[in-house]
Amino acid sequence: QVQLQESGPGLVRPSETLSLTCAVSGGSITGDYWSWIRQPPGKGPEWIGYIYYTGSTSYNPSLNSRATISVDTSENQFSLRLSSVTAADTAVYYCAREGRVGTRPGQVGYYYYGLDVWGQGTTVTVSS
Amino acid sequence: DVQVTQSPSSLSASVGDTVTITCRASQSFSRFLNWYQQKPGKAPKLLIYGASTLQGGVPSRFSGSGSGTDFTLTISSVQPEDFGTYYCQQSYNTPRIFGQGTKLQIK
Repeated sequence: QVQLQESGPGLVRPSETLSLTCAVSGGSITGDYWSWIRQPPGKGPEWIGYIYYTGSTSYNPSLNSRATISVDTSENQFSLRLSSVTAADTAVYYCAREGRVGTRPGQVGYYYYGLDVWGQGTTVTVSS
Repeated sequence: DVQVTQSPSSLSASVGDTVTITCRASQSFSRFLNWYQQKPGKAPKLLIYGASTLQGGVPSRFSGSGSGTDFTLTISSVQPEDFGTYYCQQSYNTPRIFGQGTKLQIK
């Protein structure tokens, strides 16, 4: 089955760019949406954005255009860059697949989507 | 901005109890509402999608209902392994939004 593994620095200096990569194994990156979600200490998850395997993206406006998600289909991986980080960006960062988890009754070719495969998460601390 | 409000923020239950968690949205999400369970130190796990359909392998004591702006997650006959934090999440549009979470403790 599909497995995801995040990698990247655990410590980033304020004002610098956070860079993480998510390796997809056990399946192809084509055909699904691939997401980044973060969870600050003691808080709920926050959706950062996703990318379709074709390269189209959607981002959370709360990040003020600081996030960039890219995909490398040849390497079967996708990546997150978050610029101008501050202490507020300290969190566990997860990559996840937003997959077609089920069909919509009475609507042929339409699906429900859910975050059905997650990486284990990687802790990123922003500090000087 | 779209708001998703979960309640209660925490609850305590005994084994065998039935618990209910609600998720209320500031706009209609039709049935595009998912529920997740998260245990400490682990990633969230998808329990229910489409407001009421159990993801594969999820025990039948979990059930979901609702549509539009009001949704409910019910755990019938709570088991010790059901501890954790539960989140609703809308998949109707972007940005995907999570509820604030409901922490379930087992007495």
